[in-house]
Amino acid sequence: DAMVIQNPRYQVTQFGKPVTLSCSQTLNHNVMYWYQQKSSQAPKLLFHYYDKDFNNEADTPDNFQSRRPNTSFCFLDIRSPGLGDAAMYLCATSSSFERGYEQYFGPGTRLTVT
Amino acid sequence: LAKTTQPISMDSYEGQEVNITCSHNNIATNDYITWYQQFPSQGPRFIIQGYKTKVTNEVASLFIPADRKSSTLSLPRVSLSDTAVYYCLVGDILEIKAAGNKLTFGGGTRVLVKP
Repeated sequence: DAMVIQNPRYQVTQFGKPVTLSCSQTLNHNVMYWYQQKSSQAPKLLFHYYDKDFNNEADTPDNFQSRRPNTSFCFLDIRSPGLGDAAMYLCATSSSFERGYEQYFGPGTRLTVT
Repeated sequence: LAKTTQPISMDSYEGQEVNITCSHNNIATNDYITWYQQFPSQGPRFIIQGYKTKVTNEVASLFIPADRKSSTLSLPRVSLSDTAVYYCLVGDILEIKAAGNKLTFGGGTRVLVKP
């Protein structure tokens, strides 16, 4: 089945220690998104790629970076995680910008910062 | 994007029909209504989208009255596995696109299905 895969599902990192979360998709979708979801809150968009075109949300901290080396993979880098960055990180895709309201989400990576 | 209001939570029992109403009084002419479902510890899942009247798929039905100021997601004969948070999103597809396809999730409705 075509899908969005996130690894690892659970990640523990230390305060200030860089961490990378990965996302891959077999849907061959042009657009990929990263959302942050804190406990009992709604998902919040961090940034998205349309092909290789990177778009950062205005309020996304500089501590968060992303890479998309090819269509299938996208990475979220947190350069210096703080305790407030503990959250579920969700990767999503959409087939085109025109169908961006219909997004396919991965299972998420739950990040714990100690 | 139109502001939406949903109940915070709803309880139901297996086999019952669950109806979740979303209010969106300031919906604009070009706005569509989209629902997502999120199971615990999983990402949201697109369920259904509609503009007016009724839309049905294998998962749910969406009822939209003529004035479009509200919409109702109907889940037929729920099971324990339908326990999830259901989000109602309202927006102009082109506006969503202009905003970078940012899906603005509101509070959602936490549905608990009991045996």
